Amino acid sequence: AQTVTQSQPEMSVQEAETVTLSCTYDTSESDYYLFWYKQPPSRQMILVIRQEAYKQQNATENRFSVNFQKAAKSFSLKISDSQLGDAAMYFCAYRSAGGSGTYKYIFGTGTRLKVLA
Amino acid sequence: NAGVMQNPRHLVRRRGQEARLRCSPMKGHSHVYWYRQLPEEGLKFMVYLQKENIIDESGMPKERFSAEFPKEGPSILRIQQVVRGDSAAYFCASSEQGTHGYTFGSGTRLTVV
Repeated sequence: AQTVTQSQPEMSVQEAETVTLSCTYDTSESDYYLFWYKQPPSRQMILVIRQEAYKQQNATENRFSVNFQKAAKSFSLKISDSQLGDAAMYFCAYRSAGGSGTYKYIFGTGTRLKVLA
Repeated sequence: NAGVMQNPRHLVRRRGQEARLRCSPMKGHSHVYWYRQLPEEGLKFMVYLQKENIIDESGMPKERFSAEFPKEGPSILRIQQVVRGDSAAYFCASSEQGTHGYTFGSGTRLTVV
């Protein structure tokens, strides 16, 4: 069974600085997707970035980028130029490519990011 | 195009009562997923449905919990005889096809008193 591990329960970053959130996963599959979701106090789950396992190039969305290391099964999120609005819980998630017919996500336990003014 | 709509946003039930949580997927989406988030934890998969079919219910507790997605109307997650341990946020997500990424709703926070 697949697992997702986020080993940092909480992280802090100074406004305008860069922070990296860690995520490791375990799977025997070769084709899958990885995601980072942001959950602010409103509870809404907001997709931050998505990575297809078959793509070697790391995904980037504005200030957010990932470091995807497939052999190491590592998928970290880098937030550049941190802003106060980035403060939230961040969840890493895994999803099979769907060969087994199910498309459920496996979520990590989350990292709470605090942004200091 | 409205997103995934969940209601109610907050639901309070006494122990032993029934809870009904509703989810209207995005327009054109025929795949619905339910997740549960316990306090200070990540989301845990419960069930995956298509119209009138349960595709994967491997995350559903064996008793008291059921889900449906009828041909017409919203998807319903039903919890019978609620207990304090059912208190959690319940999220619904939908997708156009199973292979597509999800759109999440804002969740229903269930509190059992």
